[in-house]
Amino acid sequence: QSALTQPPSASGSPGQSVTISCSGTRSDVGDYNYVSWYRQYPGKAPQLMIYDVTKRPSGVPDRFSGSKSGSTASLTVSGLQAEDEADYYCSSYAGDNIVIFGGGTKLTVL
Amino acid sequence: QVRLQESGPGLVKASETLSLTCTVFGDSISSSLHYWVWIRQPPGKGLQWIGSIYYSGTTHYNPSLKSRVTISVDTSKNRFSLKLTSATAADTAVYYCARGGTSGNEPSDFWGQGHLVTVSS
Repeated sequence: QSALTQPPSASGSPGQSVTISCSGTRSDVGDYNYVSWYRQYPGKAPQLMIYDVTKRPSGVPDRFSGSKSGSTASLTVSGLQAEDEADYYCSSYAGDNIVIFGGGTKLTVL
Repeated sequence: QVRLQESGPGLVKASETLSLTCTVFGDSISSSLHYWVWIRQPPGKGLQWIGSIYYSGTTHYNPSLKSRVTISVDTSKNRFSLKLTSATAADTAVYYCARGGTSGNEPSDFWGQGHLVTVSS
């Protein structure tokens, strides 16, 4: 299994919306509705933000939303805030109890 | 609140075995029915899923690491461990342990703080 493909960077101004893509194949993102998104601040452990493509864990603001079309999943952050500046990683179930991650996207709030 | 804590050497010599342990607090490995996961992150790079273990001892490994990885569980001490043989500089990374879901397709909701392991030549 190869890593999922994410853009290395994304940016937006406070209050704007930004969407980060996560491209996989028909063997992972395209075959399962088990895409997750994690936020990681520098020097910290990742934090789960979205799971099962669209679901938010308790405590995650509804400014964060997920979607999927074919073999590409997306994370949208609406109403950008300074605290949203971080690295974001997607992951997908790839069958046989195996998980793969994307390369990560650095989100900058301008 | 579930908390996980990695422990082990921070420096490993090349060709030797990298060994880490993750102790779980606030949850019981043997009764929570969750998978327990190892993930790593080389400096400045992305996350890589290493593998997972169920309380029963059933394991699943990243195919790219499978020949060198062993994950084991000690339910009596509520901890699980990672061994990675024949370490090279490419294995230098922050190693995270995490709690997975109750099935292999579920995400990791609780993570340890991470443990940097440097492989030196």
